[in-house]
Amino acid sequence: QSVLTQPPSASGAPGQRVTISCSGSSSNIGSNFVYWYQQLPGTAPKLLIYTNNQRPSGVPDRFSGSKSGTSASLAISGLRSEDEADYYCAAWDDSLSGVLFGGGTKLIVL
Amino acid sequence: QLQLQESGPGLVKPSETLSLTCTVSDGSISSNNYYWGWIRQPPGKGLEWIGSFYYSGSTYYNPSLKSRVTISADTSKNQFSLKLSSVTAADTAVYYCARDRLRFCSTTACYPENWFDPWGQGILVTVSS
Repeated sequence: QSVLTQPPSASGAPGQRVTISCSGSSSNIGSNFVYWYQQLPGTAPKLLIYTNNQRPSGVPDRFSGSKSGTSASLAISGLRSEDEADYYCAAWDDSLSGVLFGGGTKLIVL
Repeated sequence: QLQLQESGPGLVKPSETLSLTCTVSDGSISSNNYYWGWIRQPPGKGLEWIGSFYYSGSTYYNPSLKSRVTISADTSKNQFSLKLSSVTAADTAVYYCARDRLRFCSTTACYPENWFDPWGQGILVTVSS
C-alpha cells in the first residue's frame, strides 16, 4: 500500500485539461521535492517533472507540476491521445529514509 | 548519452537468490554527482523502489526489502548489481535500473534524491519452480 495516494484513473477528451493529485504527509511531500514519471504502455518510466515543477528538456510545456503542503499535482493541458499512459508521483520519505512512489494513475484520453 | 542495460536470468526458483546487473555506458558510476538505483514493477502493478547505491558505498534500501537486498558495484566494469535473496512468487516483476542524483552530503552521510533519469529498458524476472 503506497503512502503517496493517487487516484487510480483519470480521463479527459482531447484538448481538455486534466489534473492528477498525489497526497502524502509531512515526512515526504511536506519536506521533500516531488517527482513525476510517465510510463507509456509497454515502456520504461520516463522522468516528466523534477523538483516539484521543473520540466526536463524535451517535455512539452503542456505538462506542469505544483506542490502545496503535503500534496502535489500534475496538470496536463491540451490533452492529446499520446498522453494516454500511467503517471506516478515520487518523493523521499525522511521517516523511512527511502523513496516512495504513488500507486499510479492511469490516464485515459476519451 | 548515458544508457543503462539490465541483464540476468529471466527465471529464478523460489527460495533462491535473484541476481541482476546493470551496465552503464557513456557515463561513469564513480561520478560524484549520482546515485544508482533499482526499481521494480510487478505485472499490472505500480512501481516499487528497491534501493539506491553511491560509488563510495553509501546505500539505501527499501525497509520492506532491506533484509534480503544487496546492491553493489564493479567500477572496473562500470556495472552495479542487485541481489535479492529468498525470493517468492511475489518478487516476480520487471526490474529497472536507473540513474539517481546525489541530493547532498552531510559530514556523516550522502543522500539520494529520487531523480531517476534515465532508466534502463527493464528485465522481467519470473519466480517459479
